Amino acid sequence: AQSVTQLDSQVPVFEEAPVELRCNYSSSVSVYLFWYVQYPNQGLQLLLKYLSGSTLVKGINGFEAEFNKSQTSFHLRKPSVHISDTAEYFCAVSDSGGGADGLTFGKGTHLIIQP
Amino acid sequence: GVTQSPTHLIKTRGQQVTLRCSSQSGHNTVSWYQQALGQGPQFIFQYYRKEENGRGNFPPRFSGLQFPNDSSELNVNALELDDSALYLCASSFGEDNEQFFGPGTRLTVL
Repeated sequence: AQSVTQLDSQVPVFEEAPVELRCNYSSSVSVYLFWYVQYPNQGLQLLLKYLSGSTLVKGINGFEAEFNKSQTSFHLRKPSVHISDTAEYFCAVSDSGGGADGLTFGKGTHLIIQP
Repeated sequence: GVTQSPTHLIKTRGQQVTLRCSSQSGHNTVSWYQQALGQGPQFIFQYYRKEENGRGNFPPRFSGLQFPNDSSELNVNALELDDSALYLCASSFGEDNEQFFGPGTRLTVL
């Protein structure tokens, strides 16, 4: 069975500072990895995904993530955050064999941007 | 994109509810998730070409349908208080499992 651990439930950051949101996963098979963002009272929007190839993945809104197979991690980073980045961020994993078991999500990290 | 109806719904314990979703055009797979307050979404089940082909740890009183016109339903019988949550529909196409989410239906069970 797969599991996802998001190590921080809340991350406060000052505006224009860099941020890293941590994600570790547990799986015995080859995986696909995703980061989604959820703004208040909305659904989830895909930020980026790792399927294969380069371990550094670039997404929307200036976010990027690095896949580290040996550490089973997929941390999300942004070099300079804005007030509009305040939201809930979810890391998710699925196996790479077609995904009939859906996505397994972490509990989320609330990113709080302070002016 | 993916749309869901209704936006909000209030039911009482023991009742039945039907939630609806319209998938993104061309997507052949629809998945449903339950997101309790302060938690990440949990996978309920997935439908591919009108057949359930994957299910999470949810009891049989959670059931679904997928229709040829890209729409789908989630049905929940014998509602319990713990069923109160945001229900998310997601559609996808292909094997990379990138899922496109709707805005969700907020279900409150009293």
